[in-house]
Amino acid sequence: ETGVTQSPTHLIKTRGQQVTLRCSSQSGHNTVSWYQQALGQGPQFIFQYYREEENGRGNFPPRFSGLQFPNYSSELNVNALELDDSALYLCASSLDFRDRSYYGYTFGSGTRLTVV
Amino acid sequence: AQSVAQPEDQVNVAEGNPLTVKCTYSVSGNPYLFWYVQYPNRGLQFLLKYITGDNLVKGSYGFEAEFNKSQTSFHLKKPSALVSDSALYFCAVRDGGDSSYKLIFGSGTRLLVRP
Repeated sequence: ETGVTQSPTHLIKTRGQQVTLRCSSQSGHNTVSWYQQALGQGPQFIFQYYREEENGRGNFPPRFSGLQFPNYSSELNVNALELDDSALYLCASSLDFRDRSYYGYTFGSGTRLTVV
Repeated sequence: AQSVAQPEDQVNVAEGNPLTVKCTYSVSGNPYLFWYVQYPNRGLQFLLKYITGDNLVKGSYGFEAEFNKSQTSFHLKKPSALVSDSALYFCAVRDGGDSSYKLIFGSGTRLLVRP
């Protein structure tokens, strides 16, 4: 049973609109990462937050932005939606990304975003 | 740059037969390797990881993976496949050259187990 919850589960937006996706991390996890999984592809890293600060970013434009809150929950915001933004967006949390003795992510079930 | 490759888009196997899903990696430094499984309309579920130690790693649901440093491979295996194992499998490596230690995923392999 995953400890990471994402909302909403499905979303349909129109090109040019803005969207906010939400993630509640597993209890005790201070690191949250976001991944985009396009149809038929593996997940691609968008960015990561550690203790409310971004500490890594993948090859995504600035219209993809995020936040992490004091309770370590997180939001992913996408502005000026494009058709190619249609994908499954996965949130993952980990105990502490710096911990070299244990390294594992717990993934949520994702938000399926469709841009029309 | 760190990367993983899953050379097979799909693997077909009969129930009860052994299965192998292949993964090769390219990293600088010691590899941290993972296998995840994804069922339809679901997120990723962790199966197993290799950090250090024994080359044969045992994971969830009877899966295991063999780490081979000389061949830079980390193949997923199961002695006897079940129909319920049918899903999408992803190999991933932690990017140790990046401050975030993000995961880099392969393109995935669809496993179909026929009754």
